[in-house]
Amino acid sequence: KQEVTQIPAALSVPEGENLVLNCSFTDSAIYNLQWFRQDPGKGLTSLLLIQSSQREQTSGRLNASLDKSSGRSTLYIAASQPGDSATYLCAVRLNTGTASKLTFGTGTRLQVTL
Amino acid sequence: DAGVIQSPRHEVTEMGQEVTLRCKPISGHNSLFWYRQTMMRGLELLIYFNNNVPIDDSGMPEDRFSAKMPNASFSTLKIQPSEPRDSAVYFCASSFAGPTYEQYFGPGTRLTVT
Repeated sequence: KQEVTQIPAALSVPEGENLVLNCSFTDSAIYNLQWFRQDPGKGLTSLLLIQSSQREQTSGRLNASLDKSSGRSTLYIAASQPGDSATYLCAVRLNTGTASKLTFGTGTRLQVTL
Repeated sequence: DAGVIQSPRHEVTEMGQEVTLRCKPISGHNSLFWYRQTMMRGLELLIYFNNNVPIDDSGMPEDRFSAKMPNASFSTLKIQPSEPRDSAVYFCASSFAGPTYEQYFGPGTRLTVT
């Protein structure tokens, strides 16, 4: 059974700092990995999706990397801003018949302070 | 596109009552997912549909929960009878089945059972 772990569970950084969020998964036979952002009381917003054949994806100040063989992904946020404060979730799809199905990590709650 | 639409946004009901949550997926998407999110268990997949057919309902907690998708633009999740432990945020998500299977989430329904 695929298990997804995110470390740390919570993180507080001052504005302007670069930071890295970690995601690890136990079954490396993944189809792709998706990073989401969730604001308090809101739904999930997709940030980046990395296919299993890719090493990284970038969108603005966000960069996600994938090392499938070691079962790890990182989300790098450059020059953090208070508006980045949210919970960040990673989720993986297995490379099996049920490729639609996502398994989520428990998330990292990020607070960026002024 | 309006995105995934869920109703109601908030529901407060008494134990034993029937609760029906509704979802309209993004037009053109052919996969639909129901999730439940709690502090204790995080985000859990309850059931998902491909082309209106239930594919995997292994996450449905018990027979009190049922889901239907009568057509491509509407799905319901019903709890009968409801119990206080069903209190959670219920999310609906939709995707196109391939090539990335990227999921888009609705804003959620916050259910409180007293």
